[in-house]
Amino acid sequence: ELKVEQNPLFLSMQEGKNYTIYCNYSTTSDRLYWYRQDPGKSLESLFVLLSNGAVKQEGRLMASLDTKARLSTLHITAAVHDLSATYFCAVGPPGGSNYKLTFGKGTLLTVNP
Amino acid sequence: DTGVSQNPRHKITKRGQNVTFRCDPISEHNRLYWYRQTLGQGPEFLTYFQNEAQLEKSRLLSDRFSAERPKGSFSTLEIQRTEQGDSAMYLCASSSQGNSPLHFGNGTRLTVT
Repeated sequence: ELKVEQNPLFLSMQEGKNYTIYCNYSTTSDRLYWYRQDPGKSLESLFVLLSNGAVKQEGRLMASLDTKARLSTLHITAAVHDLSATYFCAVGPPGGSNYKLTFGKGTLLTVNP
Repeated sequence: DTGVSQNPRHKITKRGQNVTFRCDPISEHNRLYWYRQTLGQGPEFLTYFQNEAQLEKSRLLSDRFSAERPKGSFSTLEIQRTEQGDSAMYLCASSSQGNSPLHFGNGTRLTVT
């Protein structure tokens, strides 16, 4: 059974600081997704990582995937208040399908002025 | 692209009653998914349709749950004889082929009293 662990689960940081959220998963996969969820809202897709060594960047967020270590990271650069949200990683099962994603518990990020 | 639409947004019901939720996916997406999310957790996979065919159901989906997608368009999720443990946010998502990300709706929040 695929297990996905995120850490930290809670992250309080100051504006302007850098930090990294980690996502570990238990079985082989080459498909990993990062989502953002604002309170009371649905999940918004941030990044799709489909191969070992994949790196994607959008604004102050950068995601990477190391399939050999079964690890993805979401790096936040010079945080701003607007980044406050819950961030989820989700892993697809091996075999080329995205339909049965297993999500981590999420990282609640609070960026303080 | 009008997004994934779910109705109702909120549903409060008494234990033992039946409830039905509706999901309208993005029109060109042939894949449709139902997930359930409880407080402080990531979404959990419930079931998946490709066009009108229901291809997989999670063990989480007891016999009281049934989902349909007639004609491969909108989908309904029915819960019979609701229990307090069914209280959760029910999320619908859709996607196109391949490894494209899932697009989530705003969810239906079910409260069973």
